[in-house]
Amino acid sequence: GENVEQHPSTLSVQEGDSAVIKCTYSDSASNYFPWYKQELGKRPQLIIDIRSNVGEKKDQRIAVTLNKTAKHFSLHITETQPEDSAVYFCAASPANTGNQFYFGTGTSLTVIP
Amino acid sequence: DVKVTQSSRYLVKRTGEKVFLECVQDMDHENMFWYRQDPGLGLRLIYFSYDVKMKEKGDIPEGYSVSREKKERFSLILESASTNQTSMYLCASRLGKSYGYTFGSGTRLTVV
Repeated sequence: GENVEQHPSTLSVQEGDSAVIKCTYSDSASNYFPWYKQELGKRPQLIIDIRSNVGEKKDQRIAVTLNKTAKHFSLHITETQPEDSAVYFCAASPANTGNQFYFGTGTSLTVIP
Repeated sequence: DVKVTQSSRYLVKRTGEKVFLECVQDMDHENMFWYRQDPGLGLRLIYFSYDVKMKEKGDIPEGYSVSREKKERFSLILESASTNQTSMYLCASRLGKSYGYTFGSGTRLTVV
């Protein structure tokens, strides 16, 4: 089955700096890659996603890039703010299996004011 | 907005008890999932269902079973709870392959 690896496991940045979280996947059939943000004590929320026919997608301060050849995708957060502090999960969804996601192990991001 | 509701936010159960975790979604999604979330291990798939009365094992099904008698409801059952099943349990639903999950608020289960 699919295997998703996520790095780093923890990340601290100064407010206003950029943060980058990277994920790799193993199944070349994966074609949908969502990112989730989970604040302390809350449910994971979808923040951005990308499909395999697209190389980059942006939404305000958040962007995701996908390199299908290398089988990796990254989340970029610019001009970080304290409210960006949370755990971020990447996921991959293979096209040729069920509708489940395979998640990375999460990155705990702390933005220092 | 899709709502996914988990019936209990916190549960404390004794070893050996049969435990039911309930999840209900209100947007006619065909696909529903149960994950457990543990520090350092991320979200691991226990079971999922793509239709009424259908179920598929995920990566860690041992010690669990599920029931989906109605489209909107997906139940996770711990047949005989053990302390290593202490965890946060998250239910999710999904419309189809081109869509993300919507998660419930989670149930923090403690088995003593």
